[in-house]
Amino acid sequence: AQKITQTQPGMFVQEKEAVTLDCTYDTSDQSYGLFWYKQPSSGEMIFLIYQGSYDEQNATEGRYSLNFQKARKSANLVISASQLGDSAMYFCAMRERETDKLIFGTGTRLQVFP
Amino acid sequence: DAMVIQNPRYQVTQFGKPVTLSCSQTLNHNVMYWYQQKSSQAPKLLFHYYDKDFNNEADTPDNFQSRRPNTSFCFLDIRSPGLGDAAMYLCATRTLTSGVGETQYFGPGTRLLVL
Repeated sequence: AQKITQTQPGMFVQEKEAVTLDCTYDTSDQSYGLFWYKQPSSGEMIFLIYQGSYDEQNATEGRYSLNFQKARKSANLVISASQLGDSAMYFCAMRERETDKLIFGTGTRLQVFP
Repeated sequence: DAMVIQNPRYQVTQFGKPVTLSCSQTLNHNVMYWYQQKSSQAPKLLFHYYDKDFNNEADTPDNFQSRRPNTSFCFLDIRSPGLGDAAMYLCATRTLTSGVGETQYFGPGTRLLVL
């Protein structure tokens, strides 16, 4: 069965510093996609970045990059040059081809301080 | 421009009084989802539609029902809300492809409070 694990309930980072949010996953499917979402206190889920299981290059989107280590089944999110507006809940999620369902981890609350 | 719209943003209902949450989309996506998210927890999938084909999660309570009258609209009906149903309800849409890479677009959510 597919499973997503985020072991960091909360993280603090100073403005302009980089931060890494951890995510590990478990699946027996060879074809799957990994997603990161940001959820501010307003509640909306905002898509940040995607990595496919067959992608050889790590995904990047602006200040976001995904450190994909397939053998270790990890998909960590790296946020460079943190901003105060990055303070939010961050969810790692996975969709398997077989089930076609998006399953979320428990999330990491990121606080950026000046 | 809003692509997935949820109304209302906040809903207060009484214990046992039926309530309906609505979701509409302008993306013409054929897949729509309803998630329940309790405080400080991950979103939990309740059910989803592939076009009009309804798919219920095994652990979704019978108290929760859904309707999708057309591509654009989807409704979540809670027949007899209990205190434990207080949560954020998120609607999401996706276009169905043969791959796994299509992201889901989420609405802003409806926060349900049960008194």
